[in-house]
Amino acid sequence: GENVEQHPSTLSVQEGDSAVIKCTYSDSASNYFPWYKQELGKRPQLIIDIRSNVGEKKDQRIAVTLNKTAKHFSLHITETQPEDSAVYFCAASGSGGGADGLTFGKGTHLIIQP
Amino acid sequence: DSGVTQTPKHLITATGQRVTLRCSPRSGDLSVYWYQQSLDQGLQFLIQYYNGEERAKGNILERFSAQQFPDLHSELNLSSLELGDSALYFCASSPFGRPTSTDTQYFGPGTRLTVL
Repeated sequence: GENVEQHPSTLSVQEGDSAVIKCTYSDSASNYFPWYKQELGKRPQLIIDIRSNVGEKKDQRIAVTLNKTAKHFSLHITETQPEDSAVYFCAASGSGGGADGLTFGKGTHLIIQP
Repeated sequence: DSGVTQTPKHLITATGQRVTLRCSPRSGDLSVYWYQQSLDQGLQFLIQYYNGEERAKGNILERFSAQQFPDLHSELNLSSLELGDSALYFCASSPFGRPTSTDTQYFGPGTRLTVL
């Protein structure tokens, strides 16, 4: 089955700086890669997603890049703000067999230092 | 608010017992997914239903089962509960969930299960 590795597990950046979180996946058949933000005790909230026919996608301060050859994708957050502090999860799905369940990375705890 | 609802919010029970968690998907969504989140295992996909039928299975234990009803709400049944089943259980929904689909999944608020 699919395996998603996520790094780093903790990331501390100064407010206003950029943050980058990286993920790799194992199943070359995966074709959908969402990113979720989760605050303590709350539900995961989709912040951006990318499909395999696209290499990069942006939404204001957030961008995701995908390299299908290398099987890795990254989340970029620019001009970080205190409200960006949360745990971020990458995920992959769409591999063969019709299974649409997401395989998640272990998460990155992003800390924005004032 | 994602539009996905889950009940109850919290559940405290004893080992060996059986519980049922309920999920109502967003209006119009046909697919429901169940996930378990624990400190040691992270977020894990359990099972998916599409329009009343089981579509995919993940890391779901044999003691766990689920179903999706004609009105599209879903229930996750957990039996012979063990201490290690304590976790947050999330339901998510998406519009289709067809084999070639890569639908966005929207998560509900979760049910926190504590097994004592």
